Amino acid sequence: DVKVTQSSRYLVKRTGEKVFLECVQDMDHENMFWYRQDPGLGLRLIYFSYDVKMKEKGDIPEGYSVSREKKERFSLILESASTNQTSMYLCASSPLQAGDLETQYFGPGTRLLVL
Amino acid sequence: AQSVTQLDSHVSVSEGTPVLLRCNYSSSYSPSLFWYVQHPNKGLQLLLKYTSAATLVKGINGFEAEFKKSETSFHLTKPSAHMSDAAEYFCVVSSYGGSQGNLIFGKGTKLSVKP
Repeated sequence: DVKVTQSSRYLVKRTGEKVFLECVQDMDHENMFWYRQDPGLGLRLIYFSYDVKMKEKGDIPEGYSVSREKKERFSLILESASTNQTSMYLCASSPLQAGDLETQYFGPGTRLLVL
Repeated sequence: AQSVTQLDSHVSVSEGTPVLLRCNYSSSYSPSLFWYVQHPNKGLQLLLKYTSAATLVKGINGFEAEFKKSETSFHLTKPSAHMSDAAEYFCVVSSYGGSQGNLIFGKGTKLSVKP
């Protein structure tokens, strides 16, 4: 089974802190994604990566950055956390192969509270 | 551009009665469509996907969805609801057009199941 793990289930940070959210997948997937999930808004794509050291902006990249130094690990960074970044953050990965390109496998999520 | 609209934010059914979760999509080319489920405090799990093969797609846990091009719909159904079906369901369309298998999520439908 594909396993996507996220470093923390719950996190509480203060405004202005630098925050790192880590995601690791164990299936050698090329693509990795970071979403945030807010009630009534569904999931919105923050950043994605299709290869090591490659990254692309999603729909709401402002206030975030990412890092992908190794294929299995994709980190989301909040450079200076703000209260409007309080949310559930979901990481996902998908393979780069015909027929299964789009199926994304999700981690359990990190619920971040910024005070 | 692709988009997806879930017509109900909340659906409530009694155990043993049919489930219908409605989804309409917009796509400039033949889309891939998905339903994902999220149980409380869990990550998202793929229920089923349509990728231009059979228009009636069977998924896990007795769910199925029918792709209707003329109505631009992809409604999710189940003949008989179980208590364990209580969760949030997301209708999703692929956003092919250069990006690496990115997905566009609907805002979600919360399904409640009454005993």
